[in-house]
Amino acid sequence: EAQVTQNPRYLITVTGKKLTVTCSQNMNHEYMSWYRQDPGLGLRQIYYSMNVEVTDKGDVPEGYKVSRKEKRNFPLILESPSPNQTSLYFCASSFRPRYEQYFGPGTRLTVT
Amino acid sequence: AQKITQTQPGMFVQEKEAVTLDCTYDTSDPSYGLFWYKQPSSGEMIFLIYQGSYDQQNATEGRYSLNFQKARKSANLVISASQLGDSAMYFCAMRSNAGNNRKLIWGLGTSLAVNP
Repeated sequence: EAQVTQNPRYLITVTGKKLTVTCSQNMNHEYMSWYRQDPGLGLRQIYYSMNVEVTDKGDVPEGYKVSRKEKRNFPLILESPSPNQTSLYFCASSFRPRYEQYFGPGTRLTVT
Repeated sequence: AQKITQTQPGMFVQEKEAVTLDCTYDTSDPSYGLFWYKQPSSGEMIFLIYQGSYDQQNATEGRYSLNFQKARKSANLVISASQLGDSAMYFCAMRSNAGNNRKLIWGLGTSLAVNP
């Protein structure tokens, strides 16, 4: 089944404790992206990747890191999480950037 | 600046009736794409329909159709024969085809409730 998977789906952590949210797609998509969704602010892009080893900042990259060592995986790293990073995070992928993006199920992160 | 506006925070519709969800956009790029996504209460984001700026005909996907009026910069979603399972948040999004990043710019969404 074609899909984008994210893990974990839910995470409660404390300020400063490094964490990684994994994202994997099995559709051989070149383009991958991370968004965060916050009430009243909608979805905002954090980082994106055009292909392996090619990543760039989106609109709200501060406090986040990404890597793209393999085509299928695009992990999101929070080196020192803070409460303002409490949000719903989505990973998305598409075959080429101009095509529709398919979303993972979301990761609900709470930083206390 | 590129922007998506969804003016209806909440909508109600009777089961089996049609409903139109409004979306207006602002861009100076000649080539762009418009998308609608559905987000049920479970949280996942489901792609519904796509309209390219150069497409001559309005997009349709089953019960979903997109009323694309380029001059007015509107891309309204029409859901025909509403079902209870259509109750969800609906997001309009736009992607510019200029530059390398094809990020989606999102509206704030419309909450649709389908009444039995």
